[in-house]
Amino acid sequence: AQKVTQAQTEISVVEKEDVTLDCVYETRDTTYYLFWYKQPPSGELVFLIRRNSFDEQNEISGRYSWNFQKSTSSFNFTITASQVVDSAVYFCALSGGAQKLVFGQGTRLTINP
Amino acid sequence: DTEVTQTPKHLVMGMTNKKSLKCEQHMGHRAMYWYKQKAKKPPELMFVYSYEKLSINESVPSRFSPECPNSSLLNLHLHALQPEDSALYLCASSQEQGTFYEQYFGPGTRLTVT
Repeated sequence: AQKVTQAQTEISVVEKEDVTLDCVYETRDTTYYLFWYKQPPSGELVFLIRRNSFDEQNEISGRYSWNFQKSTSSFNFTITASQVVDSAVYFCALSGGAQKLVFGQGTRLTINP
Repeated sequence: DTEVTQTPKHLVMGMTNKKSLKCEQHMGHRAMYWYKQKAKKPPELMFVYSYEKLSINESVPSRFSPECPNSSLLNLHLHALQPEDSALYLCASSQEQGTFYEQYFGPGTRLTVT
């Protein structure tokens, strides 16, 4: 069975603070992919990043960075110098042999001005 | 252009009504998906179409009937729904069905069943 756990239900920070969203996953597949999606209040899920199980390189895209650690089954997401526009629900998701996305419960991030 | 469009944006229907949700993508994707999302919950997969054929049905009640008329269009026909079916219905597409491919989501249809 596959499972994704996002232990932080809600996070609230002040603008310009750095914030890290945690994601822990479980799978027996040797080949799998991990994803992060952003869901702003408008409702549309926006694809942010995909990482495969064989690539543990960290990735940085502007203010966003991702830390994949296979040893701890974690795929954490950090926003540096947060902005109000970053306020959204963020979902971590896993896709393995079943070819279906398994989502975590989501983390609601609020950036206060 | 990574856009998936959905109509209508909002829909209110009675339990005896018949209505349809529509989804369209022009990215040349061959896999399309319907998800249901309740408030403060993650999306739940309902159906997957691959090359216009139904590939996955997640044991969805028959009052939901999907249809894929062509590779760009996906419909969800609704009939005799229950109030608990009120939710955000999201459509998504990906290049192919498979572990590797990221899905692109539409803005959703917010459905209220009265």
